[in-house]
Amino acid sequence: RKEVEQDPGPFNVPEGATVAFNCTYSNSASQSFFWYRQDCRKEPKLLMSVYSSGNEDGRFTAQLNRASQYISLLIRDSKLSDSATYLCVVNIPHSGAGSYQLTFGKGTKLSVIP
Amino acid sequence: GAVVSQHPSRVICKSGTSVKIECRSLDFQATTMFWYRQFPKKSLMLMATSNEGSKATYEQGVEKDKFLINHASLTLSTLTVTSAHPEDSSFYICSARASHRGPFQETQYFGPGTRLLVL
Repeated sequence: RKEVEQDPGPFNVPEGATVAFNCTYSNSASQSFFWYRQDCRKEPKLLMSVYSSGNEDGRFTAQLNRASQYISLLIRDSKLSDSATYLCVVNIPHSGAGSYQLTFGKGTKLSVIP
Repeated sequence: GAVVSQHPSRVICKSGTSVKIECRSLDFQATTMFWYRQFPKKSLMLMATSNEGSKATYEQGVEKDKFLINHASLTLSTLTVTSAHPEDSSFYICSARASHRGPFQETQYFGPGTRLLVL
């Protein structure tokens, strides 16, 4: 089982739509969780951290279910500029490299269509 | 926010040559820097973790003699791809983690990446 799994998409949605991405992780000792955004041929950029209580940042809402080891990202009122690949990222304990490391999912591609 | 720079942004080289990539944290001290590689349509894969003043820790399957990492200061880490071959062509991204907070509260900041093409 992969450490971080995401539906690769692509998700093609019209402007203004609501879209949800899901992610599962395998290591129950994971401590922190993030959604990153990566544009084509660019580096990943932090979109938001994900907390157990759920958190919202404008049109973006992230949820974490530790029992199910499941993370979600909801985007409301999609904009053309939201088109990108969304990476689910989990901090997992890593004995070889120090205390922990970020592990990336393969990403879910979103295309928002006019 | 914190800024991480990488140089060069793009490099094309002949097979057999060595290529050095620099990663700098511009406005914070990074005791730990990470080097990732990303092939087209694949996820970022951690290659090695670099701690200032000590040897880098390489992930399984990454050849330490081929990918030389030096982290000589709190703001600079370098990755040298020695005797590069076409299969080394990839997008190399560095990341830096600030040193002043606990590990689970820190954010990693990514450099803009270096696109390497080996002919």
